[in-house]
Amino acid sequence: ILNVEQSPQSLHVQEGDSTNFTCSFPSSNFYALHWYRWETAKSPEALFVMTLNGDEKKKGRISATLNTKEGYSYLYIKGSQPEDSATYLCAFESETYKYIFGTGTRLKVLA
Amino acid sequence: GAGVSQSPRYKVAKRGQDVALRCDPISGHVSLFWYQQALGQGPEFLTYFQNEAQLDKSGLPSDRFFAERPEGSVSTLKIQRTQQEDSAVYLCASSSGVTIHTQYFGPGTRLTVL
Repeated sequence: ILNVEQSPQSLHVQEGDSTNFTCSFPSSNFYALHWYRWETAKSPEALFVMTLNGDEKKKGRISATLNTKEGYSYLYIKGSQPEDSATYLCAFESETYKYIFGTGTRLKVLA
Repeated sequence: GAGVSQSPRYKVAKRGQDVALRCDPISGHVSLFWYQQALGQGPEFLTYFQNEAQLDKSGLPSDRFFAERPEGSVSTLKIQRTQQEDSAVYLCASSSGVTIHTQYFGPGTRLTVL
């Protein structure tokens, strides 16, 4: 059974703090790793798709890294803002089309 | 362009009722997925369509769950004789099915079975 784990489960930070989360996934049969941001009452928004070991992606204040050999990805948020409050999901994609999601990290940024 | 839409957004059903959840994917997207997210869990795969063909239904939890996509666009997830354990958010996603398989999600339908 393929397992994807995210930590921490939830996180409160002050506005302006930088933070990071972890996604652990199987190191075999890897095809891609996806990060999503899911705000309450909205659709999950695709942030990054990462395919190559050592990949680093950046979108504004958010960046992500990928290590496929050891099976982990980090998501970093620099200078957190209240609008960053959301659940951040990672999804492991093997060579099939299916996504296996982690349980998410719920981030609350306090003003 | 328009994203993935789902209706209804919220559904309350009495135990034993049948429900139908609708998904309108992004126009032209070949692949369509349904996921179930129980409270405190990540979304879990239910079923996958490529055009009108249901290629994988291995995630459907019981034979009370049925999905269709008759014309290769809109899809309906039907749950018969709902049970309390069916209470969850049901997410639909579509994908162009080209090399990078990014799935684009709808906002979900929150089903509560009383």
